[in-house]
Amino acid sequence: DVKVTQSSRYLVKRTGEKVFLECVQDMDHENMFWYRQDPGLGLRLIYFSYDVKMKEKGDIPEGYSVSREKKERFSLILESASTNQTSMYLCASSLGGGVETQYFGPGTRLLVL
Amino acid sequence: KQEVTQIPAALSVPEGENLVLNCSFTDSAIYNLQWFRQDPGKGLTSLLLIQSSQREQTSGRLNASLDKSSGRSTLYIAASQPGDSATYLCAVETQGGSEKLVFGKGTKLTVNP
Repeated sequence: DVKVTQSSRYLVKRTGEKVFLECVQDMDHENMFWYRQDPGLGLRLIYFSYDVKMKEKGDIPEGYSVSREKKERFSLILESASTNQTSMYLCASSLGGGVETQYFGPGTRLLVL
Repeated sequence: KQEVTQIPAALSVPEGENLVLNCSFTDSAIYNLQWFRQDPGKGLTSLLLIQSSQREQTSGRLNASLDKSSGRSTLYIAASQPGDSATYLCAVETQGGSEKLVFGKGTKLTVNP
């Protein structure tokens, strides 16, 4: 079974802090994704990566950056956390080729005070 | 820009009832359509993936259909059970091979014993 893990289930940070959200997948997947999920807005893609050291902006990249130094790990970075970044963050991975689904982690609920 | 709409936003049914969840999308040029399930506070679990060349997919009590030309998909759940209570999300991949998904906001299903 594919396993996608996220470093924290719940996180509380203060405005202005630098925040790292880590995601690890164990199935040698090429593609990895970061989403945020908010009530009334649904899931929105922040960034994604097709390969190591490669990244592409999603629909809402402002205020975020990412890092993919190893194939299995994709990090989401909030350079200076703000209250409007309070959200549920979901990581996903997929094999590539467009024929298989994305596998999601359990999510990190981030509260920025 | 592709938009995905799910109606109704919430649905409550008695156990044992057959039910249909609806998904519509504005641009028929999709690569595939996927249905996911999300339990409260958790990540997403893939249920069914329909390639653009397919008309339907089945898994157990679930059947998903796709009508690309009309921009519609339905998820049929037979003999519903309380364990089916969850939010069901529809997503479309709009660029072949990109694996970027556009999600609907989901239908929250409650199956009452």
